[in-house]
Amino acid sequence: QVQLVQSGTEVKKPGASVKVSCKASGYTFTDYPIHWVRQAPGQRLEWMGWINAGNGNTKYSQKFQGRVTITRDTSASTGYMELSSLRSEDTAVYYCARDRNWALYEFWGQGTLVTVSS
Amino acid sequence: DIQMTQSPSSLSASVGDRVTITCRASQTIITYLNWYQQKPGKAPKLLIFAASSLQSGVPSSFSGSGSGTDFTLTISSLQPADFATYYCQQSYSDPYTFGQGTRLEIK
Repeated sequence: QVQLVQSGTEVKKPGASVKVSCKASGYTFTDYPIHWVRQAPGQRLEWMGWINAGNGNTKYSQKFQGRVTITRDTSASTGYMELSSLRSEDTAVYYCARDRNWALYEFWGQGTLVTVSS
Repeated sequence: DIQMTQSPSSLSASVGDRVTITCRASQTIITYLNWYQQKPGKAPKLLIFAASSLQSGVPSSFSGSGSGTDFTLTISSLQPADFATYYCQQSYSDPYTFGQGTRLEIK
């Protein structure tokens, strides 16, 4: 069965960077894009960007352009999302999701809580 | 960016009730509209895609309709497991935006 398993909770200071991983299993990793979506406390879901797991091409939301980097390691069937210059407003649960097509998220990771606090 | 607005933001209902949630896009998204259910501390779960197609494994009590800018999610007979927050999402163009959510509570 398809599973996306994310790395654990992170606590970071303002200005630091965080890198969240998303390990895929149960399907051919390179066949489907991986998207990253975050949810701040009590807020709506917010799309950050995606990676074509096959060729590594990426697209980012303008809101995060310059601060977010999405990568993948095909040998490990794992996607990564790195967010830099963290501020308190970046405190959120970060999700990876497998895109079936047209940004349709059929499978999700369990979420990774990132807390930014001095 | 395409803005997605849901109504109501919260809703109280009883088991067995029929409920409808609406989602409006700030511009046409044809039928590139998906619905998700989220329970506290859990990832969203896909319910409806392409406005009206039921995701495999989702009860037939869930249905979706609409096109263009106006969409609805209907639950024909509420079950205890249906009390959750529901989000619409447009997949017409990036950034792929979500509605603010509709919290469905037990009356």
